[in-house]
Amino acid sequence: DAGVIQSPRHEVTEMGQEVTLRCKPISGHNSLFWYRQTMMRGLELLIYFNNNVPIDDSGMPEDRFSAKMPNASFSTLKIQPSEPRDSAVYFCASSLEANYGYTFGSGTRLTVV
Amino acid sequence: DAKTTQPPSMDCAEGRAANLPCNHSTISGNEYVYWYRQIHSQGPQYIIHGLKNNETNEMASLIITEDRKSSTLILPHATLRDTAVYYCIVRVTNTGKLIFGQGTTLQVKP
Repeated sequence: DAGVIQSPRHEVTEMGQEVTLRCKPISGHNSLFWYRQTMMRGLELLIYFNNNVPIDDSGMPEDRFSAKMPNASFSTLKIQPSEPRDSAVYFCASSLEANYGYTFGSGTRLTVV
Repeated sequence: DAKTTQPPSMDCAEGRAANLPCNHSTISGNEYVYWYRQIHSQGPQYIIHGLKNNETNEMASLIITEDRKSSTLILPHATLRDTAVYYCIVRVTNTGKLIFGQGTTLQVKP
């Protein structure tokens, strides 16, 4: 099992550009979560999906952020336009069922300059 | 979900047991206690979870008090690789959300 796979591992972009982060959950897992981590705010839940359907997006900071899960094996988190304050490590996690432990990916370190 | 309180930092000698406390005095009857850890620059790692009874797995033991208002994560023989931030989280099982607090930074020293 390759675990949760995130790409890219690092992303440096200029302010105003569109950024797309990608996640492949563990095969068979039906819940997927996007988190953001910064020194100031710690780990924040942005959105989570169950069976490819967004269940709770209350953590999404603003309209510049959007997330999709077109199928059970792929999800994207898009920021458009990006701003320096979006700089953070973005983690994707998946779980078999809602009450199981999550498996996290290695994260994408985003730097917006 | 109930709020948890953890000490910001702890030290432990290598080879000794590390006992990490967590207070969750407002926990509800249907909320589980979860523990995760995050080693520097890696994604959080699931350790263990429980509802009422004590639990043990290959990584750790979880001791929950009878009134469920607090719990302790025990790493029986801490190694330098156990140095990490440990998060205690309470969660209603059917919400699917884990909300992380600030956690306890455990430093295992030689």
